Amino acid sequence: QVQLVQSGAEVKKPGASVKVSCKASGYSFTGYYIHWVRQAPGQGLEWMGWIDPNSGGPTYAQRFQGRVTMTRDTSMSTAYMELSRLRYDDTAMYYCARVRGTSGSYGFWGQGTLVTVSS
Amino acid sequence: DIQMTQSPSSLSASVGDRVTIICQASQDISNYLNWYQQKPGKAPKLLIYDASNLETGVPSRFNGSGSGTDFTFTINSLQPEDIATYYCQQYGHLPPWTFGQGTKVEI
Repeated sequence: QVQLVQSGAEVKKPGASVKVSCKASGYSFTGYYIHWVRQAPGQGLEWMGWIDPNSGGPTYAQRFQGRVTMTRDTSMSTAYMELSRLRYDDTAMYYCARVRGTSGSYGFWGQGTLVTVSS
Repeated sequence: DIQMTQSPSSLSASVGDRVTIICQASQDISNYLNWYQQKPGKAPKLLIYDASNLETGVPSRFNGSGSGTDFTFTINSLQPEDIATYYCQQYGHLPPWTFGQGTKVEI
């Protein structure tokens, strides 16, 4: 069965960087884009971007351009999301997700990684 | 960017009630609209994809309809386990893929 398992919670200081991993199993890793979605405490869902595991090519939401880097390691079936120059308002749960097929619907989600930015 | 306006932001209903949530897109997205349920501390769960298709394993009391810019999500006969926040999400055209603001359903 399809599984996305994310790395553990992180606490970072303002200005630092964080790198979250998402290990995929149960399907061909290069066959589906991995998306990243975040959710600040008590807030809604915000799409951050995706990476094509086949080509390694990312697409980022405009508001994260210049601060986010999405990469992958096909040998490990793992995608990564690195966010730099962290601010207090980057405190959020970060999810990786995969679409269910040809539809752009997220049928599979990681369990989430809580990133806390605190001095 | 395509904006998704979801309403209401919260609602209170009784067990057995029909609950309706509206999502409006700022431009035509055909049927590229999905609905998710999120319970506290959990990742969202896909309920309806492509506006009206029920995801495998999801109870048939959940229903979606609409196309273009106006979409409706309905829970027929609300159950206690349906207490959650519901989000619409569009993936039409180019990125970004955007979500509605969410609707918190309470009993």
